[in-house]
Amino acid sequence: NAGVTQTPKFQVLKTGQSMTLQCAQDMNHEYMSWYRQDPGMGLRLIHYSVGAGITDQGEVPNGYNVSRSTTEDFPLRLLSAAPSQTSVYFCASSYSIGASYNEQFFGPGTRLTVL
Amino acid sequence: KQEVTQIPAALSVPEGENLVLNCSFTDSAIYNLQWFRQDPGKGLTSLLLIQSSQREQTSGRLNASLDKSSGRSTLYIAASQPGDSATYLCAVNSNYQLIWGAGTKLIIKP
Repeated sequence: NAGVTQTPKFQVLKTGQSMTLQCAQDMNHEYMSWYRQDPGMGLRLIHYSVGAGITDQGEVPNGYNVSRSTTEDFPLRLLSAAPSQTSVYFCASSYSIGASYNEQFFGPGTRLTVL
Repeated sequence: KQEVTQIPAALSVPEGENLVLNCSFTDSAIYNLQWFRQDPGKGLTSLLLIQSSQREQTSGRLNASLDKSSGRSTLYIAASQPGDSATYLCAVNSNYQLIWGAGTKLIIKP
């Protein structure tokens, strides 16, 4: 199993550009989520999905869109990049979220810089 | 609203010492708590997961405890080594999402 994969690993954008961060998992997990990590802060939830066709907002959803057309893929779209979106982005998956035995698995992260 | 705090923010100890990292949370209604390790510029490595019904979990030199009633978890590292130097993060599974502490940066001096 490849686990959770993310592409690209690094990306530099100019203000106003759009792009999609890719996330895929091969563990047949229902729950997938996107986090951003900024220096000195804990990870913050952007969007999450509890299954194909179902998504919801997390703590910091503004400026980001998601969709979940398949169980495996959960792309994160930046609509119009801003310098405040410079961050490291992590994708995670688990079998579900509302159970005590569920361990979250994380991708390697995408380092995004917006100039 | 669930809040997670990790104290201290940074810790430096000589090699060989035993040490304890702390994680506190405000709402005891959790599914589980997970401890992660993050090396500089790298991703997250899961260390231990403690289910809400458990009191502790062990993996090698690591032991994590959970006291839901007091809203606390500790990560005990025995016989620390320079390779243990990293940032340690705790995350609480609460209300269908993970809530994270800001982490403790651990430096083990040879």
